[in-house]
Amino acid sequence: QVQLQESGPGLVKPSQTLSLTCTVSGGSISSGSYYWSWIRQPAGKGLQWIGRIYPTGSTNYNPSLKSRVTISGDTSKNQFSLKLSSVTAADTAVYYCARVGNYQSFDFWGQGTLVTVSS
Amino acid sequence: SYELIQAPSVSVSPGQTASITCSGDKLTEKYVCWYQQKPGQSPVLVLYQDSRRPSGIPERFSGSNSGNTATLTISGTQTMDEADYFCQAWYNSTGVFGGGTKLTVL
Repeated sequence: QVQLQESGPGLVKPSQTLSLTCTVSGGSISSGSYYWSWIRQPAGKGLQWIGRIYPTGSTNYNPSLKSRVTISGDTSKNQFSLKLSSVTAADTAVYYCARVGNYQSFDFWGQGTLVTVSS
Repeated sequence: SYELIQAPSVSVSPGQTASITCSGDKLTEKYVCWYQQKPGQSPVLVLYQDSRRPSGIPERFSGSNSGNTATLTISGTQTMDEADYFCQAWYNSTGVFGGGTKLTVL
């Protein structure tokens, strides 16, 4: 059974860079069968896809966030990471990492981590 | 950009059938997934490829996708099905979610 676990600071100051890591167990991020994604959800609101990374290391990003987002992978640690620069209060949300599985569905999710942007 | 539109809320009585719709331009040309999210929990995939159930998802969850509308149907709705439901599809390599529908079972 694949498991994903997000980690990183729960509080980030405005204009700084949000950095999160997703540690994957029960499966390899370098497997050719799956992609790996970040998704966020502001309190009381809907889900927003941030981006994904392929086993090759190539990425796709949400156009609305593309200028501020970087997703990278570390196969030696079986982790992938999110960096979101120049954050504002609007970036306050629960951030989830997820596996992109069959027919590009998000079939496994982490528990989510709340990141608050505040001075 | 591509949008998926969902009604904010749907109510159903226990044992009845709930239908939650998701609308988008030429949606039938895309595969739609549905996620269930209960308060304080991560979303759970309940349908993929329009109508396929992952292992462990009850048979009362079914789906269809035709024209511009995808539908999640819950037959014999149970109180445990009360949750937010999100549809999702891909457009130009970008993941898109609907705004979510809160299903109330009462």
